[in-house]
Amino acid sequence: GENVGLHLPTLSVQEGDNSIINCAYSNSASDYFIWYKQESGKGPQFIIDIRSNMDKRQGQRVTVLLNKTVKHLSLQIAATQPGDSAVYFCAENTGSGGGADGLTFGKGTHLIIQP
Amino acid sequence: NAGVMQNPRHLVRRRGQEARLRCSPVKGHSHVYWYRQLPEEGLKFMVYLQKENIIDESGMPKERFSAEFPKEGPSILRIQQVVRGDSAAYFCASSSGDRGRKLFFGSGTQLSVL
Repeated sequence: GENVGLHLPTLSVQEGDNSIINCAYSNSASDYFIWYKQESGKGPQFIIDIRSNMDKRQGQRVTVLLNKTVKHLSLQIAATQPGDSAVYFCAENTGSGGGADGLTFGKGTHLIIQP
Repeated sequence: NAGVMQNPRHLVRRRGQEARLRCSPVKGHSHVYWYRQLPEEGLKFMVYLQKENIIDESGMPKERFSAEFPKEGPSILRIQQVVRGDSAAYFCASSSGDRGRKLFFGSGTQLSVL
């Protein structure tokens, strides 16, 4: 079946540096993508989303890039802070296997911020 | 505005008992989703409900698991005759229902089966 996967299970960066978390997807029909942040013991928290008619979207300190040619999604976090330490999930809207909103989640990347 | 509320936060059951997990969606949201998460894993879709209707239960085990979202009150995920393999974090999410809209998640219920 088609699924979403992540390249790196753990990413360690120095505080203040920029971090990039990558995600590969294989469902070419997906038209909506979301990044979630999950801190230990908490539920996933929305960070940023992007539709397939865009290739870049910026938020506060975060940027999501979408490359539909190679089916790749990335999350860039600028000037990382200790509070950015969490597991980051990408999710795609496949329209199936997840209800009307059809969100399928990747396994996650654990971002560790070194002081 | 209250977000998605789940209770209990932690639930301990012995094998063979029943577990009932509750979820109140964001005010105004009529679409509820249940996900299950094992340690170091992503979220696995279980079931999608609208008020009084199960829309998609393709991710839910055929036996022992059931879900409802009544006209009044919270959504309930029920697990009968729990086994140790049911131990996991169960997350509820809600949305307004429009396709391509983000889901808002609760803090989850951690189920431990002894």
